[in-house]
Amino acid sequence: QQPVQSPQAVILREGEDAVINCSSSKALYSVHWYRQKHGEAPVFLMILLKGGEQKGHEKISASFNEKKQQSSLYLTASQLSYSGTYFCGTEWAGSNYKLTFGKGTLLTVNP
Amino acid sequence: NAGVTQTPKFRILKIGQSMTLQCTQDMNHNYMYWYRQDPGMGLKLIYYSVGAGITDKGEVPNGYNVSRSTTEDFPLRLELAAPSQTSVYFCASSYSIGASSYNEQFFGPGTRLTVL
Repeated sequence: QQPVQSPQAVILREGEDAVINCSSSKALYSVHWYRQKHGEAPVFLMILLKGGEQKGHEKISASFNEKKQQSSLYLTASQLSYSGTYFCGTEWAGSNYKLTFGKGTLLTVNP
Repeated sequence: NAGVTQTPKFRILKIGQSMTLQCTQDMNHNYMYWYRQDPGMGLKLIYYSVGAGITDKGEVPNGYNVSRSTTEDFPLRLELAAPSQTSVYFCASSYSIGASSYNEQFFGPGTRLTVL
C-alpha cells in the first residue's frame, strides 16, 4: 500500500517554512525520509521508528504520529539547497521489512 | 569508498533485446535492492536480496531477473525488453533491514533506460 504524500508540490521563498506529510492506511513500524535532486539519486535524511519520536537534523526535523499512522517532515528557514523531491518510505507489519515509497513532494525554494 | 556504483548510466534498447544492469557496493552490506522510478510515481521495488544467494521479488518483478553470487554485486537482467520498461533504475544497499536506526538505504547514481 503506497503511502500518500501531501502536498504534491510546494513553492517557497528562501527563509520560509514548509511541512510535508506522509500518511498510511497500515500500522507502521518505521518511516524513512529521502530527498532527491533533479537527475540525482535519493539521499537519506532520517528514519522515524514506531513510538512517536521526533528527530531533527539542523533545520529539518520530522515526527511520527503512531495513532494517525502519519509522519510529517518540517523544513524551517528554508535554503535554496533544500529544493528537490522529498519521498517518504514506509514499513509496516506484513511488508517483510521492505519499504514502500510515496509519489514524492516537489519542493522549490526561490531566492 | 565508492559506495554504490551502477553501469551503464544510459542505455537505449530495441524491443525484444536483453541487457544486464550492473550494481556493485563496497560497504559490505548484506541487503541490496533494485528500484525503478517513473515520472511522478515514486520508487517501485523490483527485487531485493538479503545476502549472497538469496533473492526475492518486490512489487514489480515481471520482466526482470536477478542473481546475487557475491556480497558486492547484484545485477539486474532484463529479458525481451518492452517499452513499459523505459525508466530510471536505481540500485541501493543497506546495512540492516527492518525497523532499525541502521537500515538507511544508500542509492547508486541510476541507469536511465529507454526501450524503443
